[in-house]
Amino acid sequence: GESVGLHLPTLSVQEGDNSIINCAYSNSASDYFIWYKQESGKGPQFIIDIRSNMDKRQGQRVTVLLNKTVKHLSLQIAATQPGDSAVYFCAEDAGGTSYGKLTFGQGTILTVHP
Amino acid sequence: DTAVSQTPKYLVTQMGNDKSIKCEQNLGHDTMYWYKQDSKKFLKIMFSYNNKELIINETVPNRFSPKSPDKAHLNLHINSLELGDSAVYFCASSRGKGWETQYFGPGTRLLVL
Repeated sequence: GESVGLHLPTLSVQEGDNSIINCAYSNSASDYFIWYKQESGKGPQFIIDIRSNMDKRQGQRVTVLLNKTVKHLSLQIAATQPGDSAVYFCAEDAGGTSYGKLTFGQGTILTVHP
Repeated sequence: DTAVSQTPKYLVTQMGNDKSIKCEQNLGHDTMYWYKQDSKKFLKIMFSYNNKELIINETVPNRFSPKSPDKAHLNLHINSLELGDSAVYFCASSRGKGWETQYFGPGTRLLVL
C-alpha cells in the first residue's frame, strides 16, 4: 500500500473526526507557508497557505495555524472524510533571493477509516 | 483543461541513456519549476525559470539541463542516466517568483535499470 517502506509519520482517524497534522519548519526567515495534499500516483495539490504576518487562516473545512515563536505549523481538517486520505506536506518559502524556492517537510500519511 | 501537464507519465530506460521530460502549463504563469521526489516521498526543488530566465539552480549534477523555449514550457534533459536518478519528477508553475502558490503537474515516473 501507500505507506509500505516509507516510514513517514502517520495519522489514522475515523470518518467524521477532526484531524490535526503538525509540521516543524526549519528556517526562521521563512515568510510564506503552504500545505499540499498528495494522493497516490498524483502530484501535490494546493490546500491552503499562510503568510508570516498571520497566525491563523481558514478555508473550507481546513484551518492552518502558524506559531513563529516555535517554528510550528499545523493543518486542521474538520469532519475528515475518506477522500482526505493522502500524504500531507508542509512547505516553506524563505523569500528574499530564495523567492519561490519551497522547502518541503517530510510528509504525514493521513488514513481515514469509514 | 489540464493546467500543468507532463510527458511522458512513465519512463523506463537503461543506465547511460539520455532522456527528456516535457512540461507545459496553460495557466499563463511566468515561473516554472522542476522537483524530484525520491522513494521516501521527499520533495526537493531542482530548478526554477521565470520568463525563460533561470532563477533557482540547486545542487544538481550537470547531467541535468533544463530548457525553457517559452514561458509556458520547461523541459528537463538528463544525460548519462544513473540508477540514482530513478524518482518521480514533478513540474510546477506559479504566477510570480515568490509568495505564490505553485501548481504541480501529475509527475513523470523515471526508472533507470
